This record gives sequence, C-alpha cells and structure tokens, in this order.
Amino acid sequence: TQLLEQSPQFLSIQEGENLTVYCNSSSVFSSLQWYRQEPGEGPVLLVTVVTGGEVKKLKRLTFQFGDARKDSSLHITAAQPGDTGLYLCAGARETSGSRLTFGEGTQLTVNP
Amino acid sequence: ETGVTQTPRHLVMGMTNKKSLKCEQHLGHNAMYWYKQSAKKPLELMFVYNFKEQTENNSVPSRFSPECPNSSHLFLHLHTLQPEDSALYLCASSHGIIGGPTDTQYFGPGTRLTVL
Repeated sequence: TQLLEQSPQFLSIQEGENLTVYCNSSSVFSSLQWYRQEPGEGPVLLVTVVTGGEVKKLKRLTFQFGDARKDSSLHITAAQPGDTGLYLCAGARETSGSRLTFGEGTQLTVNP
Repeated sequence: ETGVTQTPRHLVMGMTNKKSLKCEQHLGHNAMYWYKQSAKKPLELMFVYNFKEQTENNSVPSRFSPECPNSSHLFLHLHTLQPEDSALYLCASSHGIIGGPTDTQYFGPGTRLTVL
C-alpha cells in the first residue's frame, strides 16, 4: 500500500514556467518533509512543514501543508535548469518516531 | 556537503562475494538509517539504529547484516546477494528519538550497488 502518492511522476518544462507537484495521502502526518535529489547524490532536505495550513517559502519554491495534514504541495515559480532533480515528499507520524514514509518522487526536468 | 559520507560510492559484486558498505556521520547525531532506493519505487527503510541499538529491521533478508559500533559509524555487510538487490543504498542520520516526529534526516550520497 502506497501511503504517499506523488503526482506527476515525471514533468518536463521550459525555463521560466511555473509548476506544482502534489503529495497526497489518506493518512494524517505530524509533519511532512520535501527533499530534492540530484543524480548520484542523496536527498537534500528543502523544508519541513508541521502545522495544518502552513505555507513556507524558499526563494522561488512555495510549500503548503494541507489543513488536515494529509497532503502537501510544492510550487516552483519561474523554474530554472538548476531546479532539475527528483523531488521527494516524506511524512512522519507521531506513532512512528523518526521513521519517514516516502513518496515515489517527481522527476522534474527544466529545459533551457 | 551534508556531513554524512558513504564509501564506496560504486560497487560491483558477484552473487558469491562478501562486501561491506560504510557510513560515517560528522553531525553528532544519535540515530542512523539504511535505505534502499530502486528505480520507480519509494525509498525503502531497511534498518534503524538509535544510540547504537537496532530499533527497526524492516523485514530485510538476512543476506543484509547491519552493524553500528558507535553513533558515528554504520556498516551494511553484504553476502550472497541477488541481482534484484542492485540499487542505490542510502545512509541517513538524525538527532534521534528525542527529536520526535520532526527529527530531520540528513542523507549521504549513497552507494550504487550492482550485483552480477
């Protein structure tokens, strides 16, 4: 059973376009983290959201945690080739301690 | 630079070989993790160590054997692997159980393992 569904799985866009990646679940998470992974490297943490309805901004990236803490979105404005990578969402539950549940990821390619 | 290093970065081994993967964290963390990342699959948690004690074994086959001699080092011993074990093996660390649900995990660059 896939607890975290990410969509789309693949996304190829032109430089300057906007995009949104979604992370959905039927389960409630106490926090949700977004990572970006580049080829040959491990995932790098971008942000952690913990409060329902929370919005966090990181330069051109905007992260939102759903009110019910079951879903999250990542919006990138004016995408650049350097944004290319695999974006992973991961949820933590209070009963699971530090254990994270990962989504399959969204492979983003930004073409110059 | 994440403060978590892994060696080797690439490993090719036959099914009868024995090899070990090494992970070292320089972040003063107390928890360490092994994950398996295969194509088109979510990251799979394999093992968790907290304060050198194994707290989770996620139904991993016995041909994978973890070892955590101290809070800074984690090993994954491999023997008689199968071709389907080929994947990227990622190590991560975090502050540990005290950190609670928002305990951030920091990943190493991974070891790309190919089993022939």
